Amino acid sequence: AQKVTQAQTEISVVEKEDVTLDCVYETRDTTYYLFWYKQPPSGELVFLIRRNSFDEQNEISGRYSWNFQKSTSSFNFTITASQVVDSAVYFCALSVNAGGTSYGKLTFGQGTILTVHP
Amino acid sequence: DTGVSQDPRHKITKRGQNVTFRCDPISEHNRLYWYRQTLGQGPEFLTYFQNEAQLEKSRLLSDRFSAERPKGSFSTLEIQRTEQGDSAMYLCASSLKGQPQHFGDGTRLSIL
Repeated sequence: AQKVTQAQTEISVVEKEDVTLDCVYETRDTTYYLFWYKQPPSGELVFLIRRNSFDEQNEISGRYSWNFQKSTSSFNFTITASQVVDSAVYFCALSVNAGGTSYGKLTFGQGTILTVHP
Repeated sequence: DTGVSQDPRHKITKRGQNVTFRCDPISEHNRLYWYRQTLGQGPEFLTYFQNEAQLEKSRLLSDRFSAERPKGSFSTLEIQRTEQGDSAMYLCASSLKGQPQHFGDGTRLSIL
């Protein structure tokens, strides 16, 4: 079975601060994908990034960066110079290539509520 | 590119009634997923289809729940004899096989 843990329930920062959202995952599968999704107050889940289990290169996209470490089963997400528009719930998720299903269902963490104050 | 569309956005019903939700995926996507999200929690997987075939169902999907995707396009999720515990946001997502899932706005179900 798969499990995703986001230990930080809520984080509050002031605009322009950097913030890191933690994600730890558990799976026995060696082939998997990790994801981050954003859920703004409007409710729709927005896809941010996908990484596969064979690619531990860190990735940067504008103010967003992701750090994947298989040794600690972590996939952390950092927002640099946070803005009020970053306020949302952020979910980490895992999908495995079980039984050749080519990455079907997502297993989500509980989410981290990020509030960025002006 | 039209996104995933769900209808209705909000459904209020009395306990014991049946409800049906509809999801229209992104047109070229062959996979369609249903999730349920309760307040303060992450989405939980219910079931998914590849074309018209239902490939996996969660144990969360009791015998009161049924999902269909008859022509491999839109899907319906029906809940029979609704209970208080069914109150949640029901999310639909679609994707191409092996690609990231894209979510709709969800249907919020409230049981009186």
